[in-house]
Amino acid sequence: DAKTTQPPSMDCAEGRAANLPCNHSTISGNEYVYWYRQIHSQGPQYIIHGLKNNETNEMASLIITEDRKSSTLILPHATLRDTAVYYCIVRVGNRDDKIIFGKGTRLHILP
Amino acid sequence: NAGVMQNPRHLVRRRGQEARLRCSPMKGHSHVYWYRQLPEEGLKFMVYLQKENIIDESGMPKERFSAEFPKEGPSILRIQQVVRGDSAAYFCASSPPDSYQPQHFGDGTRLSIL
Repeated sequence: DAKTTQPPSMDCAEGRAANLPCNHSTISGNEYVYWYRQIHSQGPQYIIHGLKNNETNEMASLIITEDRKSSTLILPHATLRDTAVYYCIVRVGNRDDKIIFGKGTRLHILP
Repeated sequence: NAGVMQNPRHLVRRRGQEARLRCSPMKGHSHVYWYRQLPEEGLKFMVYLQKENIIDESGMPKERFSAEFPKEGPSILRIQQVVRGDSAAYFCASSPPDSYQPQHFGDGTRLSIL
């Protein structure tokens, strides 16, 4: 079973920041938080990952709470092309391992 | 840099035939993972391979399914005697030897069984 909990769906207006929450209250000290998204009919796309510090790249920012029990993925200026299912995943960082996908959050960007 | 390449993108088979799905990992990646996505369902892990070795096949059906990743060439997922329930999107992912690095996915093979 997935070790994360995400809302099933969210709406965001185009041009606004999309904030996608994720709960991972049972996360272990050696587990990273990864975010992927799946745009319709495509393969999952890696977005960002982090351990305990906030991370930012060209796609998004990842904010992890101090206790690491939850995190938020931020898409700073959402566009229609960001409509997708977003998956939050926790995974041990020092071990090659399968990804266990949950149901994710279906993000709708509204024009 | 080329991403993970899967072919064919679409594959149609009749019941009882064999299906072969190919995956070429990203350059420098020696780990390959196969996942299956049934219609309207989430992605499920099938098998994890390194060159010439199966590391974890806990998600692979016990019969009719096999996977290999030879020393040379792409990884192959083989489904023998296909049935209607095998219709799905099959995704391959690869990652480099550094295990904290993310897996990168191909765009999948959509298998349809007539």
